[in-house]
Amino acid sequence: KAGVTQTPRYLIKTRGQQVTLSCSPISGHRSVSWYQQTPGQGLQFLFEYFSETQRNKGNFPGRFSGRQFSNSRSEMNVSTLELGDSALYLCASSFGAGSWEQYFGPGTRLTVT
Amino acid sequence: ELKVEQNPLFLSMQEGKNYTIYCNYSTTSDRLYWYRQDPGKSLESLFVLLSNGAVKQEGRLMASLDTKARLSTLHITAAVHDLSATYFCAGIQGGSEKLVFGKGTKLTVNP
Repeated sequence: KAGVTQTPRYLIKTRGQQVTLSCSPISGHRSVSWYQQTPGQGLQFLFEYFSETQRNKGNFPGRFSGRQFSNSRSEMNVSTLELGDSALYLCASSFGAGSWEQYFGPGTRLTVT
Repeated sequence: ELKVEQNPLFLSMQEGKNYTIYCNYSTTSDRLYWYRQDPGKSLESLFVLLSNGAVKQEGRLMASLDTKARLSTLHITAAVHDLSATYFCAGIQGGSEKLVFGKGTKLTVNP
């Protein structure tokens, strides 16, 4: 069974630009969560989507947004990029309610210059 | 709000030795996860512990959970170089699928 896929894998952007990252969960999984990993702050939760609805949101500014499509694929968008947004962005998929395994994708490495 | 603390943050071991990584959490967590991360890579799921007293083993790694003490441990037996990686524990924020991670333990196993 195919794992979680994320595109693109690497991205270089300039301050002030915006970026969209994509995550395709494991087939049948309806929950997608996004995490940001930086050396200073570690792994931090961004948001979680289940059946196209945002169920939970972390403590990130409104520049970070996301959505989920009817096929469970999810996108996250970061507008007006700042240097501090440079990070590894990971998505995790699970069945959602009643399940416990969360599987992580390979991540998107975003560098903001 | 759930907080997760791991210690030690850095661990240098010799091959063949045993050691334990500790994971304390501040409030009730429905379940406790352990992940491994190699440099530049994503998170690999190692264990999910669901209930008090749960113990799981895979190869040289064994994880346990004590919900009363709010403590999980990851025990490494007879370490080998291939176990060198960063290990994270994570709890679940109540009523959500939000994982709250510890800062990670960077394990280096020296020959």
